Amino acid sequence: QSVLIQPPSASGTPGQRVTISCSGSSSNIGSYPVNWYQQLPGTAPKLLIYTDNQRPSGVPDRFSGSKSGTSASLAISGLQSEDEADYYCAVWDDSLSGPKVFGGGTKLTVL
Amino acid sequence: EVQLLESGGGLVQPGGSLRLSCAASGFIFRKYAMSWVRQAPGRGLEWVSTIGDSGGTTYFADSVKGRFSISRDNSKNTLYLQMDSLRADDTAIYYCAKIWGVTKQWLATFDDWGQGALVTVSS
Repeated sequence: QSVLIQPPSASGTPGQRVTISCSGSSSNIGSYPVNWYQQLPGTAPKLLIYTDNQRPSGVPDRFSGSKSGTSASLAISGLQSEDEADYYCAVWDDSLSGPKVFGGGTKLTVL
Repeated sequence: EVQLLESGGGLVQPGGSLRLSCAASGFIFRKYAMSWVRQAPGRGLEWVSTIGDSGGTTYFADSVKGRFSISRDNSKNTLYLQMDSLRADDTAIYYCAKIWGVTKQWLATFDDWGQGALVTVSS
């Protein structure tokens, strides 16, 4: 059971804006920066957003991240068919129960 | 261009051992912390372990603590994961990943990934 809670699925139509949430606590999102990863089918994950809202070079500005308190969100605007993938939030969590990193993941379907 | 190439995966019996290697190139290996992340078939990502740039600091997920060890050889630009007492639920693709920065706030920021090595634990 992950300490970072994501909805298991999300969907949208081409051109739409979708958001994926990530709910945590004071020991993770409340203390450390949030990162988001995109994993296309059959491939290794790719860093999409780091430090809450920064995009690595090459990531389209259709992707944006935000954080408030102990929750974070990934927004994808102008949804495209190639955005269909699994999305994971990741934050360092060093609570007494041992370190953890990833949310459970959200499968995004483009209808 | 950063390249991370895992090797050493394969089929192993429950209770057995396996050592994964990750050969790094395209960056100054000794300056970066490194991690192993795994993904069981049809499941999400699970962080496994992290080692600091000098090898002096290590972190492990509770699920592997006491069974897995992580190490690095900065002279060979290579990261290792020694896996002992393997169980069926260790079956997964194991990814080697480079960490973006050098302080604790970067421990979940993996900016480069290998292609993964499949480990299957089965009798």
